[in-house]
This record gives sequence, structure tokens and C-alpha cells, in this order.
Amino acid sequence: KQEVTQIPAALSVPEGENLVLNCSFTDSAIYNLQWFRQDPGKGLTSLLLIQSSQREQTSGRLNASLDKSSGRSTLYIAASQPGDSATYLCAAPSGGYQKVTFGTGTKLQVIP
Amino acid sequence: NAGVMQNPRHLVRRRGQEARLRCSPMKGHSHVYWYRQLPEEGLKFMVYLQKENIIDESGMPKERFSAEFPKEGPSILRIQQVVRGDSAAYFCASSPKEGYQETQYFGPGTRLLVL
Repeated sequence: KQEVTQIPAALSVPEGENLVLNCSFTDSAIYNLQWFRQDPGKGLTSLLLIQSSQREQTSGRLNASLDKSSGRSTLYIAASQPGDSATYLCAAPSGGYQKVTFGTGTKLQVIP
Repeated sequence: NAGVMQNPRHLVRRRGQEARLRCSPMKGHSHVYWYRQLPEEGLKFMVYLQKENIIDESGMPKERFSAEFPKEGPSILRIQQVVRGDSAAYFCASSPKEGYQETQYFGPGTRLLVL
């Protein structure tokens, strides 16, 4: 059974700071790992999808890495902005492509 | 291309009533997934459907909950005789096909409140 843990649960940083969000998973037999963003009262926005054959993916100021052997992924946000304030969710497949297990998220607040 | 649509966005029901949540996948997507997010908890997988087929319902409660994805029309998540513990945000996601290269695109969710 896949279990996904995210640390820290909450993070508050001043604007402009670089930061790292951590995700760990117990079942390393995954095909991919995905990072999402959730804004209060809203749905989920896919940020990055890393295939198991990749070690990292980049999109703008975001960089996600994947280390299957250690069961870890990190999301790096460069030069944080107040608009980055949201909850960030890590998700890994569990028992097949379709069943995705989510972490409980890291709630990020970027202070202007 | 419109995203995944869910309606209603907010639904209030009294205990014992039925709740029907609808999900229209993105155009061209034939795979639908339902997730539930209980207050202060993470999202939990409920059910995975393809057109006219339930593929995996291992995350759905055995009683009172059912899901369908007909040949025509939206996917429906139905909760009979709702209880207060059903209050949650229900998210639908869709993908064009199954496979490890496919991301799931999420809708805005339906927030169910049971009084």
C-alpha cells in the first residue's frame, strides 16, 4: 500500500526566498510522480509530472526531482512570490496507473 | 478546450437525502476518477471509470455510494441517505487514456455539506 508523506505541513517564507518542499513515498515501484497546487476553495492544478525514467522536471521557477531508490521527491520553488501561496500536494500511483495516493500537502505562505 | 467541469459547486443536503454530483470530463477524455477530501485530510481515491464501465471502485464505501459514467452525458457520483460524515469536497479528474504518461486533470470540486 502506497503511503505519501509531505514535510513540512506548513511553511512561511518572505518573498524572494528559494524554498524546497519534500515528499516521501513508501512504494518505489511507481511509474511517475506528480506535484499539484491547490488554492483555497479551488480544485487542483497540475504543476509537474515526472516519469520514473526522469530525475527531474522544470517549469518556470519550479523544479521537481525524483529519487525512486530513496522514495523521495522534492519541489524547488525559486524566487518565491506571494502568488505562490497555496497548498502543494505530492501524488504517487498506488496499485496501478489509475489509483493515485496523495500526501496531505504543504501549506505555503509567501509574505510580501 | 474547457477543463473538467463539476456541478454543482456547492451542495447542501439534510441527513437522509440523496446527493448527486456530476462531472463532465475534458473533451476527448474517456477516463474519469473521483476523489474525496475530508476536512483537514488529504485527497483519497474513490473510483475509476471508463465509459460504461467501473474499473476500480476499491476506494468507495460499500454502502450508499455509487458511480456511473454512461455512454452519453456526465459521470455521476451518487450518495444515498447522506450522513454528516459525508461532508467533504469531492473532486473529479479525467485523462485521455490510461497510462503512466498521462496526467489527471482535476475539476474545481463539489463541496457537500450535510446538515
